[in-house]
Amino acid sequence: GQQLNQSPQSMFIQEGEDVSMNCTSSSIFNTWLWYKQDPGEGPVLLIALYKAGELTSNGRLTAQFGITRKDSFLNISASIPSDVGIYFCAGRRVDTGTASKLTFGTGTRLQVTL
Amino acid sequence: GAVVSQHPSRVICKSGTSVKIECRSLDFQATTMFWYRQFPKQSLMLMATSNEGSKATYEQGVEKDKFLINHASLTLSTLTVTSAHPEDSSFYICSGQKTASFNEQFFGPGTRLTVL
Repeated sequence: GQQLNQSPQSMFIQEGEDVSMNCTSSSIFNTWLWYKQDPGEGPVLLIALYKAGELTSNGRLTAQFGITRKDSFLNISASIPSDVGIYFCAGRRVDTGTASKLTFGTGTRLQVTL
Repeated sequence: GAVVSQHPSRVICKSGTSVKIECRSLDFQATTMFWYRQFPKQSLMLMATSNEGSKATYEQGVEKDKFLINHASLTLSTLTVTSAHPEDSSFYICSGQKTASFNEQFFGPGTRLTVL
């Protein structure tokens, strides 16, 4: 199935640094979701976006729904060791009609060093 | 809340046997549940969409006779991997969608299946 292009694929940053990752597609989406997955666990929802241009924060996390509806980004400010994990974007494409299934990004693996 | 549980968390079975995985929404009703498969260091790939009381819709390339899905109630869906083979070894994750929330999915902790 189709996947969203997510970049970067992996990041190694120092504690306290800010992180930015994005997700792009050739298709138009009407919903963007950002998830974090720890090893051996299921993904946990971080932020949900529903409108083009929408900017939403959740603590140190900020995400935006791109104005073209084909992209989204996630920023993490002042990273801490527990931010380590894999971050996935997921979206619901406009052309899925009434189907509610999600398309997932390829993931960004974040490592935080002390 | 929106908590989803899966059972078992890990299972090891012999080739040729069948394995059933349960997915439960603990504090909400899930009209729709989804089943995903995730191979090491890869993203989640949707296998099927399951609506309560009706047949599941399978994604292209997923064998419906091999991966049997039952969604008998608003809080329980099961995935049975029939005649499992080593290539079926993977991390299987389910998600539930609240009836009133069309777009958000809440995921279970996953089931690690190893077929010997």
